[in-house]
Amino acid sequence: ETGVTQTPRHLVMGMTNKKSLKCEQHLGHNAMYWYKQSAKKPLELMFVYNFKEQTENNSVPSRFSPECPNSSHLFLHLHTLQPEDSALYLCASSQDLGTGVVTVTGELFFGEGSRLTVL
Amino acid sequence: GQNIDQPTEMTATEGAIVQINCTYQTSGFNGLFWYQQHAGEAPTFLSYNVLDGLEEKGRFSSFLSRSKGYSYLLLKELQMKDSASYLCAVMDSNYQLIWGAGTKLIIKP
Repeated sequence: ETGVTQTPRHLVMGMTNKKSLKCEQHLGHNAMYWYKQSAKKPLELMFVYNFKEQTENNSVPSRFSPECPNSSHLFLHLHTLQPEDSALYLCASSQDLGTGVVTVTGELFFGEGSRLTVL
Repeated sequence: GQNIDQPTEMTATEGAIVQINCTYQTSGFNGLFWYQQHAGEAPTFLSYNVLDGLEEKGRFSSFLSRSKGYSYLLLKELQMKDSASYLCAVMDSNYQLIWGAGTKLIIKP
C-alpha cells in the first residue's frame, strides 16, 4: 500500500452534480489536509484535520464540504461547483508536531491528486 | 502580506549544476521546505532548513539565510529524471505553510 491514496484520479462533472473525493493514509499520521493546486499558482490550503477535528478552514466556499470520519480517511464532498473550481486537488498527511491548538506541520506526504474538471 | 518568490521556469543541461532561488517575506519564520513534483505525480519532500547554512543530501543541497529571507536548492550532476517542478514553502510564526508557485526545471541532453 502506498502512503497516501486518492480516488478518483480524474473526475469530470457538471455544475449541478454531486461527487466526492476520497483520501486514505496508511502512515499512522494524525493530521490530514486538502490542498488545491492550479497551474502556475501556489498551493492553496483548504482544510486541516487533526485527530479528526477540523482545525482550519481557509475561507473555502460552502460548495466544498470536508468529512473526516477517522484519522486515516478524508473526504471532500463537491456540489454545485463552478468551472473555476477545475484544478488538481491534493490530499496530504503529516504528524502534528505541536502540543496545542495549532497544527504544526511536519513533513507532508501527498497523494497523487484528483484532477477535477467542471463543465 | 506574505510572499514567496521563485523563478517560474529554468532550463539546464544534463550533467551540469543548477541553483533554484527562493526569496520570502513572511510573518515570522519556523523553517523552509523544498518539495519536488514530477508532472502528474505527488509532491515529495526534499529538504527542511531552519538554521542558516547549507544542508547537503546526495546530489541535492539546500541553503538558508534568514537575515536575507533567501534560500536556494542546488542540484548537481543533473539527470533527465530531475526534470520536475520544485516548490519552496515557508512556515510562518503561526505554523502556517506559505507556498511559492513552484519552479519548473527542464533538463536538456
